[in-house]
Amino acid sequence: DIQMTQSPSSLSASVGDRVTITCRASQSISTYLNWYQQKPGKAPILLIYVASTLQSGVPARFSGSGSGTGFTLTISSLQPEDIATYYCQQTYSSPLTFGQGTKVEIK
Amino acid sequence: VQLQESDPGLVKPSQTLSLTCTVSGGSINSGDYYWSWIRQPPGEGLEWIGYIFYTGSTYYNPSLKSRLMISVDTSNNQFSLKLSSVTAADTAMYYCARGSNIENWFDPWGQGTLVTVSS
Repeated sequence: DIQMTQSPSSLSASVGDRVTITCRASQSISTYLNWYQQKPGKAPILLIYVASTLQSGVPARFSGSGSGTGFTLTISSLQPEDIATYYCQQTYSSPLTFGQGTKVEIK
Repeated sequence: VQLQESDPGLVKPSQTLSLTCTVSGGSINSGDYYWSWIRQPPGEGLEWIGYIFYTGSTYYNPSLKSRLMISVDTSNNQFSLKLSSVTAADTAMYYCARGSNIENWFDPWGQGTLVTVSS
């Protein structure tokens, strides 16, 4: 199985800060990488697919980059509504696997 | 498109967990999509369970394959999960989701249903 490791596990930042979350795959997954946002008590929603394509309706302050084994999710200017846990997911091979999540809080 | 999971609530250990996902606002009969189950134990991360195409072709997580069956009912726009011989480790929020057969993402997801395995 491909292991997905996110860092940090949690972070605290101020409104307006630039926030970066890293996801590393245990082997190369090309750009078969998605990012999801999960707010407390809610189902996850798709933010970014194939590493860098923004899902329709997602604010432009979210962006993704990377290929191979290293990927990043960036929030250019953190907003209060961005408080959530963020998960990366690889779809390169079965079983599809997720990172352990990064919890984002407001300082 | 909206997805809604059924609510089995409490399941006893060693029994079979059964869930149904009803798809509305779109047809399950599309080769562009597959229909997936994902679960999340309380306070933990996400685990992919498996998915099915409208044709009935299935793909399962090997860790669950021996206990798992996913089926599709195209006439009622539903797909279902059966997980046998459940234990407390199967206690989780269970989500159904639509998957893209082209770009391999999950969207949208159902609201989720909490399944507790307890005697």
